[in-house]
Amino acid sequence: DQQVKQNSPSLSVQEGRISILNCDYTNSMFDYFLWYKKYPAEGPTFLISISSIKDKNEDGRFTVFLNKSAKHLSLHIVPSQPGDSAVYFCAASALSGNTGKLIFGQGTTLQVKP
Amino acid sequence: DTGVSQNPRHKITKRGQNVTFRCDPISEHNRLYWYRQTLGQGPEFLTYFQNEAQLEKSRLLSDRFSAERPKGSFSTLEIQRTEQGDSAMYLCASSFAAGVLGEQYFGPGTRLTVT
Repeated sequence: DQQVKQNSPSLSVQEGRISILNCDYTNSMFDYFLWYKKYPAEGPTFLISISSIKDKNEDGRFTVFLNKSAKHLSLHIVPSQPGDSAVYFCAASALSGNTGKLIFGQGTTLQVKP
Repeated sequence: DTGVSQNPRHKITKRGQNVTFRCDPISEHNRLYWYRQTLGQGPEFLTYFQNEAQLEKSRLLSDRFSAERPKGSFSTLEIQRTEQGDSAMYLCASSFAAGVLGEQYFGPGTRLTVT
């Protein structure tokens, strides 16, 4: 069963515009959410996270929004830059379970066009 | 610190052979995770260690897979009698214990091809 879903396999935006990547989850026990970025031939790189006690977290051009009632989170990148072109993974964890293991979505490939 | 390192970066093996991968985590991190990623999918959890103790194994980890972290530092993942379905990217990650900082830092991965 896919507990974390990224329903858009790809997204293309123009440089300078906003990129919005979406993620849905099904497990109510998840209380910590992360976004990772992955370039080809590299491991995933941590981008930003959010705890379930918050509904927004911002770090520079990156903002993550969490809607617990809808079990939905999104990553906003403003303004988008060509260097942001990569695969973005949403991940969730149940910190209360104390394992820390991450459950990943399938990924969304973002292409930012100059 | 240079981050998480994994060796080898690529491994091609014939079906039925055994392979072993190594992961060196960030030195201050006491948790170490192994994940497997296949094409078009996100990483899937395999197992994790806190210090030298292996605390959880996924049902994805068949009896042919074994992982160790003998001194709580580096870890090895061995696959015995490899099958073509084992072809994947094997990723290692490390972190502080969950609840303090949940972020996991990944290595570059070992790409396994079983022919």
